[in-house]
Amino acid sequence: EDQVTQSPEALRLQEGESSSLNCSYTVSGLRGLFWYRQDPGKGPEFLFTLYSAGEEKEKERLKATLTKKESFLHITAPKPEDSATYLCAVQGGMNRDDKIIFGKGTRLHILP
Amino acid sequence: DAGITQSPRHKVTETGTPVTLRCHQTENHRYMYWYRQDPGHGLRLIHYSYGVKDTDKGEVSDGYSVSRSKTEDFLLTLESATSSQTSVYFCATSRTELLSEQYFGPGTRLTVT
Repeated sequence: EDQVTQSPEALRLQEGESSSLNCSYTVSGLRGLFWYRQDPGKGPEFLFTLYSAGEEKEKERLKATLTKKESFLHITAPKPEDSATYLCAVQGGMNRDDKIIFGKGTRLHILP
Repeated sequence: DAGITQSPRHKVTETGTPVTLRCHQTENHRYMYWYRQDPGHGLRLIHYSYGVKDTDKGEVSDGYSVSRSKTEDFLLTLESATSSQTSVYFCATSRTELLSEQYFGPGTRLTVT
């Protein structure tokens, strides 16, 4: 069964303290891995798509990396406005109806 | 932003009553989705549409139906609401196939008493 596991569930960091969020997945034939940011009371906002192991993408203080078993979202020198829940999602399989599966998310809180 | 609105934003209803949630998009995206989000669970796909009048079931479709008569509107109906359907419902769209990024609406908080 396809699965997505995110860790840790919650993370508190001081402003400027870099860290990484993990997304482990088991899927039959990864077609894409997605990272989203979700602020309280709002819908998720797209951040990155990664397609193959070794791929990396960056946006401001965020960098996403991908291996054959997991993805990391690295946060460098975070600011309080980076506080949010970060969601990972994967799509596997070879059929059009192979859906995207979301993890439960990591709640990130950056203390000023 | 993809210009996605959802209505209503909040609703309280009684068990057994029918409920319809509406999603409206202004970006002419072909694909539209309905998800529910509950504590302890990731976003779970209820139904999706890949074109006008073309819909398919997702992971948790029991008790829900959908309709899409126009590109811009995707309706989610709970035929007879149950307390287990208390949740936050999100609509999303994507420009092309399932691999493309999804744009989410602001969500509808539904409480079934």
